[in-house]
Amino acid sequence: QKEVEQNSGPLSVPEGAIASLNCTYSDRVSQSFFWYRQYSGKSPELIMSIYSNGDKEDGRFTAQLNKASQYVSLLIRDSQPSDSATYLCAVYSGGGADGLTFGKGTHLIIQP
Amino acid sequence: NAGVTQTPKFRILKIGQSMTLQCTQDMNHNYMYWYRQDPGMGLKLIYYSVGAGITDKGEVPNGYNVSRSTTEDFPLRLELAAPSQTSVYFCASSYSLDRWETQYFGPGTRLLVL
Repeated sequence: QKEVEQNSGPLSVPEGAIASLNCTYSDRVSQSFFWYRQYSGKSPELIMSIYSNGDKEDGRFTAQLNKASQYVSLLIRDSQPSDSATYLCAVYSGGGADGLTFGKGTHLIIQP
Repeated sequence: NAGVTQTPKFRILKIGQSMTLQCTQDMNHNYMYWYRQDPGMGLKLIYYSVGAGITDKGEVPNGYNVSRSTTEDFPLRLELAAPSQTSVYFCASSYSLDRWETQYFGPGTRLLVL
């Protein structure tokens, strides 16, 4: 059973600070890692993807991957109230269309 | 380009009733998926399709059925609705299974079974 674990939160961060979201996964052969943002009552929206060890930056977002530790994180710099949402970690382990496993998500609250 | 569309947005069903959730994509994607999301939970894959005429079960297929007669449409059928099927249902699509490919989600259908 492939598992993707996230702290459900809520994670409360002051506006302007760095929000750090973490995710661990169980399948060592996992290939691709995704972060989705989901506003309340809305559908998931892809914000970051990462495939290699290290950091990947896109604007205020940085994804970090450590395959040896089976750990992926998302950093949000200069957090804004509009960043308040649930962030879903998803891990693709190959093997077909059912190879994508989602975590339960971390609820992030940015306090003005 | 409408992307992935779903109807209805919200529906209340009585126990034992049946219904079809509609999903259409206009991106010419080969792969389509149905997920359910229960409160505070991640997305669970119900069924998926890799092309017209080809479907397969995901993690939680019991109580559901699908068909894929065209590239664009991937309806999800609920037979004999049960309270355990109360959930938000998302349809998604992607061009391929390439590891770089992301899934695009529809707006969701909120279903309440009473």
